Amino acid sequence: AQSVTQLGSHVSVSEGALVLLRCNYSSSVPPYLFWYVQYPNQGLQLLLKYTTGATLVKGINGFEAEFKKSETSFHLTKPSAHMSDAAEYFCAVSDNFGNEKLTFGTGTRLTIIP
Amino acid sequence: DAGITQSPRHKVTETGTPVTLRCHQTENHRYMYWYRQDPGHGLRLIHYSYGVKDTDKGEVSDGYSVSRSKTEDFLLTLESATSSQTSVYFCAISEEVAEGGELFFGEGSRLTVL
Repeated sequence: AQSVTQLGSHVSVSEGALVLLRCNYSSSVPPYLFWYVQYPNQGLQLLLKYTTGATLVKGINGFEAEFKKSETSFHLTKPSAHMSDAAEYFCAVSDNFGNEKLTFGTGTRLTIIP
Repeated sequence: DAGITQSPRHKVTETGTPVTLRCHQTENHRYMYWYRQDPGHGLRLIHYSYGVKDTDKGEVSDGYSVSRSKTEDFLLTLESATSSQTSVYFCAISEEVAEGGELFFGEGSRLTVL
């Protein structure tokens, strides 16, 4: 079985400050890891993903995440927050052994303070 | 944008009535999914399909059934709606999640069961 834990259901940062959203995963096999973003009244869209290879992955809108196997983490960061980053962010995991299903975390709502 | 249409987008119904939500895709993707989104729970998989007439249960399948008679359509049916099924329902599609493929989401269907 696989699962993800997102620490902090709400995070507030000032515009221009560092964004750090935390995700820890549990998986009995090597994982694929994803971050999705949901803007108000919309469906989710992919920010970035880790499958194999380089552990630091870059996504859209200046976000990046680092896969750390020793810490079972996949935290999402952005050096400088923008007002348009206000949204809900979901971490998700699947395995690379043919599992067609993603398991999502409970989400972190990011608020940007002007 | 991926061609995914959910209908209806909003529905209010009464306890005990049947409800069917429709997801239509124009991408010819193999996999289709139904998720529900609830505060504090993130997204939870209800059912998914890996081909025409091929479906399987997710983690919260009780009280729901699905059908996929054509590649492009995936129907979610609540045989007898209950208040606990009040939620926002998202359809998603994917060409191949098992290889780290991306999920594309519809805009959601908000269901209220009174």
